[in-house]
Amino acid sequence: EADIYQTPRYLVIGTGKKITLECSQTMGHDKMYWYQQDPGMELHLIHYSYGVNSTEKGDLSSESTVSRIRTEHFPLTLESARPSHTSQYLCASSMTGVNIQYFGAGTRLSVL
Amino acid sequence: GESVGLHLPTLSVQEGDNSIINCAYSNSASDYFIWYKQESGKGPQFIIDIRSNMDKRQGQRVTVLLNKTVKHLSLQIAATQPGDSAVYFCADYNTDKLIFGTGTRLQVFP
Repeated sequence: EADIYQTPRYLVIGTGKKITLECSQTMGHDKMYWYQQDPGMELHLIHYSYGVNSTEKGDLSSESTVSRIRTEHFPLTLESARPSHTSQYLCASSMTGVNIQYFGAGTRLSVL
Repeated sequence: GESVGLHLPTLSVQEGDNSIINCAYSNSASDYFIWYKQESGKGPQFIIDIRSNMDKRQGQRVTVLLNKTVKHLSLQIAATQPGDSAVYFCADYNTDKLIFGTGTRLQVFP
């Protein structure tokens, strides 16, 4: 069982609101990732980090931003939510030199 | 561009039968592959992995086969159980990233 936690699990919010999705892991992994997944579809990488103060954009363009101030914490922020942001957001982590990524349970976001 | 795709979106099997889920990849330089299982309401869970210098790897009730000639891999689940019902993804590891294909939904009937 992976020790990676995401909150909230579900979020329904109005257009224009600022939101932050939390992701924390207790495994000491230096690499962390954010994926976006529509129901039943593949995962798309939107952000990743190699360690503290490292953030990179993924293959899928996203209006969200991330920060990595602490090893265990990798929050994702949307400054102004829109209905097009409605999706599931999955956080993952891995250890350098090990390719297996461990996933959290995800946050299902609905923007009205 | 690189793509990782699955042949069938849904696979229905009877409990106790063996299941085979297929995956094709396009990048011949890919050297590592992972299978994930995603149950409803959960994040993907690691099942098994295989490196390109292998053509078969076995786990508990699961076997992954890799055919580099045709760029194809498969996940075989022996004696499929109701708890195996989920969406299965193959992922290709390349340049420090995992590229996920479209999942296959496995439905197990009694």
